[in-house]
Amino acid sequence: SAVISQKPSRDICQRGTSLTIQCQVDSQVTMMFWYRQQPGQSLTLIATANQGSEATYESGFVIDKFPISRPNLTFSTLTVSNMSPEDSSIYLCSVGETGGDEQYFGPGTRLTVT
Amino acid sequence: EDQVTQSPEALRLQEGESSSLNCSYTVSGLRGLFWYRQDPGKGPEFLFTLYSAGEEKEKERLKATLTKKESFLHITAPKPEDSATYLCAVGGYSTLTFGKGTMLLVSP
Repeated sequence: SAVISQKPSRDICQRGTSLTIQCQVDSQVTMMFWYRQQPGQSLTLIATANQGSEATYESGFVIDKFPISRPNLTFSTLTVSNMSPEDSSIYLCSVGETGGDEQYFGPGTRLTVT
Repeated sequence: EDQVTQSPEALRLQEGESSSLNCSYTVSGLRGLFWYRQDPGKGPEFLFTLYSAGEEKEKERLKATLTKKESFLHITAPKPEDSATYLCAVGGYSTLTFGKGTMLLVSP
């Protein structure tokens, strides 16, 4: 399976600022996804990052708050904009490989907003 | 809308004490059911995919089974290193709906 890395691994940010999270994969993949994992809650899909086109957002998530880029088949970024303490969470990227239904996850970025 | 419910929320076992975790689901049409293991501070690690009722998959001390309404993750003679949160999800390829997980603690 693909090896996935994320930067940063954790960060503490001030309210009102923005943070960009990077996701790098060691091989080309068709599908890349961004999830949020809040304490005591299930993983929630934020959006599917599409290469060469705008991301597809799930209900409750908007591009202005969570802009996503996918410049090529191995890299994506998620920005958390105008942060509030409610954005404190773990953010995970995942990939889907051709021929399989399962997704493989990166190590996550733990974000704390003060 | 797909729904996944996992039980129990937390489970404490003694080393060697076998048990099962439950994942019940409601879907309009099941494409696949997935089990993941998540260690603290890490991303979920893929374990199994099950596609049809009656299917079973095994890996070391873990065995996953599937019926039309639920899946079980059986843990045989667990060791402390099996301590983790186990996540269940339904869907496939582009859409996964996760349960909240079962936190397993195995004491020596």
